[in-house]
Amino acid sequence: AQKVTQAQTEISVVEKEDVTLDCVYETRDTTYYLFWYKQPPSGELVFLIRRNSFDEQNEISGRYSWNFQKSTSSFNFTITASQVVDSAVYFCALSEASGNTPLVFGKGTRLSVIA
Amino acid sequence: EPEVTQTPSHQVTQMGQEVILRCVPISNHLYFYWYRQILGQKVEFLVSFYNNEISEKSEIFDDQFSVERPDGSNFTLKIRSTKLEDSAMYFCASSAQTGAATNEKLFFGSGTQLSVL
Repeated sequence: AQKVTQAQTEISVVEKEDVTLDCVYETRDTTYYLFWYKQPPSGELVFLIRRNSFDEQNEISGRYSWNFQKSTSSFNFTITASQVVDSAVYFCALSEASGNTPLVFGKGTRLSVIA
Repeated sequence: EPEVTQTPSHQVTQMGQEVILRCVPISNHLYFYWYRQILGQKVEFLVSFYNNEISEKSEIFDDQFSVERPDGSNFTLKIRSTKLEDSAMYFCASSAQTGAATNEKLFFGSGTQLSVL
């Protein structure tokens, strides 16, 4: 069965600090997809990244970076030089690649960036 | 960028009443989904819909729930007799692709907050 664990329930940082959000997953499939979504206070779910299980290259997009480690089943998300607008709940999610499979979400990490 | 549109943004109803939550997926998308998020909890899959039929559903999606694509543009979620525990944010989502690439990018709507009193 699939499972996504985000052990950090809430994190508070001061603006300009770097912060890493942890995500550990479980799946029996060899092919799967991992995602991060941002949920700002307004409530919508904003897609940040999708990564397939065969691509372990780390990715950087502006202040965001992702570290995919298959050996430890982790897909961690780092925000560099955090800003108040980064305050949100961040969800990690997993989907097995056997057709149209639904996303399994972690419980989310609430990030508060303080000015 | 194209959007998934959900209406209403908030819905208040009495226990036992029927509610219909409406969604307009992105026009060329083929797969449609409903997810829900009980306050403070994780987002949970309810149902997926493709080619005018349910392709997968979770344990949450019992006989009280139904989905429909009545006119080729709208995608609705009906709860026949609401319970207090149905109170949640309901998200509609759609995607363009099929097979393993289905989750290439899942577009979510901004949600409907359902409150059952």
